[in-house]
Amino acid sequence: GAGVSQSPSNKVTEKGKDVELRCDPISGHTALYWYRQSLGQGLEFLIYFQGNSAPDKSGLPSDRFSAERTGGSVSTLTIQRTQQEDSAVYLCASSLGFDNEQFFGPGTRLTVL
Amino acid sequence: GNSVTQMEGPVTLSEEAFLTINCTYTATGYPSLFWYVQYPGEGLQLLLKATKADDKGSNKGFEATYRKETTSFHLEKGSVQVSDSAVYFCALRSNTGNQFYFGTGTSLTVIP
Repeated sequence: GAGVSQSPSNKVTEKGKDVELRCDPISGHTALYWYRQSLGQGLEFLIYFQGNSAPDKSGLPSDRFSAERTGGSVSTLTIQRTQQEDSAVYLCASSLGFDNEQFFGPGTRLTVL
Repeated sequence: GNSVTQMEGPVTLSEEAFLTINCTYTATGYPSLFWYVQYPGEGLQLLLKATKADDKGSNKGFEATYRKETTSFHLEKGSVQVSDSAVYFCALRSNTGNQFYFGTGTSLTVIP
């Protein structure tokens, strides 16, 4: 079946612009994670959605970052007023539940000029 | 706090060599431990996991044992193949929260 998909695969933007990154999880997966991978760094947890529960936003680095998940499926990560340090690969993962294997998408490479 | 430290790469081995990639962790509570692999051009995928002390995770000839006394989860394979060339990430999930904590990744290249 289809895996996790993310769009766009690459995004180049100017400092100060807003960007939206999209994640389509595997159908039926109730858990969805967003991570950020900066150059030379490990994956940094950003946010976690589980079903209809309130999301765990504890990893969001600033109030410029927000995410939503509509209808328990597609998720959008929004970065407002982008900064150069936001340049990274943003990864989305989904799983059947908290205790299940995560399946990762291919990521969106964001470059802020 | 929670963190994962793994061996820096890159690592280059000849085919059939023995592989060890070190991983140590700091965690509150009783974490679950994971190794993920990212093959060239592909997304991360779970390689193996262990959920409690002394558990051994294994898959595709790779093994890792959850050592609570040394807070380690080293990845080993007895005989690597060219197809094992990838980036390997050690990770933990604390049982007190939703977050996963990943190491920085270790790049492995296996040459024929």
